[in-house]
Formats: sequence, structure tokens, C-alpha cells
Amino acid sequence: ETGVTQSPTHLIKTRGQQVTLRCSSQSGHNTVSWYQQALGQGPQFIFQYYREEENGRGNFPPRFSGLQFPNYSSELNVNALELDDSALYLCASSQDSYGYTFGSGTRLTVV
Amino acid sequence: AQRVTQPEKLLSVFKGAPVELKCNYSYSGSPELFWYVQYSRQRLQLLLRHISRESIKGFTADLNKGETSFHLKKPFAQEEDSAMYYCALIPYSGGGADGLTFGKGTHLIIQP
Repeated sequence: ETGVTQSPTHLIKTRGQQVTLRCSSQSGHNTVSWYQQALGQGPQFIFQYYREEENGRGNFPPRFSGLQFPNYSSELNVNALELDDSALYLCASSQDSYGYTFGSGTRLTVV
Repeated sequence: AQRVTQPEKLLSVFKGAPVELKCNYSYSGSPELFWYVQYSRQRLQLLLRHISRESIKGFTADLNKGETSFHLKKPFAQEEDSAMYYCALIPYSGGGADGLTFGKGTHLIIQP
């Protein structure tokens, strides 16, 4: 049984650019959610996908968008990057929407 | 909106001493509560979940609805318990679609 894998592990982007982060969910999990973790803070919920549809969203602007594919893998897209978008982005997958398995994260630095 | 508060940023105790990591929450409905742990250089992982009422690695947590607390306890700390601990809540009524709301975390250090 494989866990949640995220790519890339680290990324540096320039302000104003766009970025795509990827996540492969754990085998058998049909729900994927994304979190942003700033330094010294707990993870903050961005949004969740269930069977390819967004079914929940946190307090993040529309320039944060996502996709879930038929194999339940997922992408997080961020447009018009800002310096404050620098953070660790975590992906988590679940089978029952309560027991989440987290990936190791993608460290995004915006310069 | 729900909120989770972990009042201690850092907690240092000696090996063998009891440990209590505090967690308070605010939510008007019925929450599902979790403790997640992150050991050094490892990913965030579930430690325990209120609904399962399990004891994992000697840790327990009791939901006190009157005090809106979900404190994590262990009677005898071990050095391998040193880690970052996060309390988290999910609204039970939302079917999980509201995502987890995390506290800011408590860094637990167990001194030899």
C-alpha cells in the first residue's frame, strides 16, 4: 500500500508567476484535500475534492484552484503568485473524509 | 467559524514525568477532534481520533464538551515523544467537506 506522494518537494517561483503542485493519493482513497502551512503555523485548509468535484473550500481566493483526476490524484494551481504564498503545501487523502493521510509536502518559495 | 487553540507553543518536561498538551476549541455544533503528530523530518500523521477512543503510544485524550477541550495526556513521557503536536477539528455535520481546522501546534521536548 503506497502512501500520499507529492511533487516537487521544493520549488522557487517569481512573484506573478503560476505554479502547479501534484499529489498522488493513497490507494483506495477517493477524497483529496490541500492545506497551506506557513512557518510557525498549523496547516490551513484550502479546498477538498471528492470524486473529481470540489466539495469544500477554505478562506482562500479564487487564484487557488485545483483538479482531481479519475485515478483520484490531484493538482493545486496557484495563479499570480504573491510573496505571502511562500509556504509548505500539504496534500491529504482520505477514504471516509475523517481519517486523513498526509504527504510530505511541497515547499514553495516566492521571490 | 470553528477555531482551535493550543495555548502552549513549547512544552518541556523530563523523561518519566506526566505530559498534558492543551487544546481548546470553539464550534457551535458537534465536532470530530483529532491529535496529529509530526516527528522530526517526518510527515504529519494521525496520533488519535476522538471517535475511536483509542490509546496510541500511551497517549489518551478526553473530549470535555462543557469546557470545549480535548487535552492530550500521557502518564510517563519518553524521549521518543519529542515532536510537534497539532490538535485539529472537523465539523461532524459537514461530512468532512469543511476540512480540518488546526491549532498552531505545541512543540514537545522531552529532556533526559
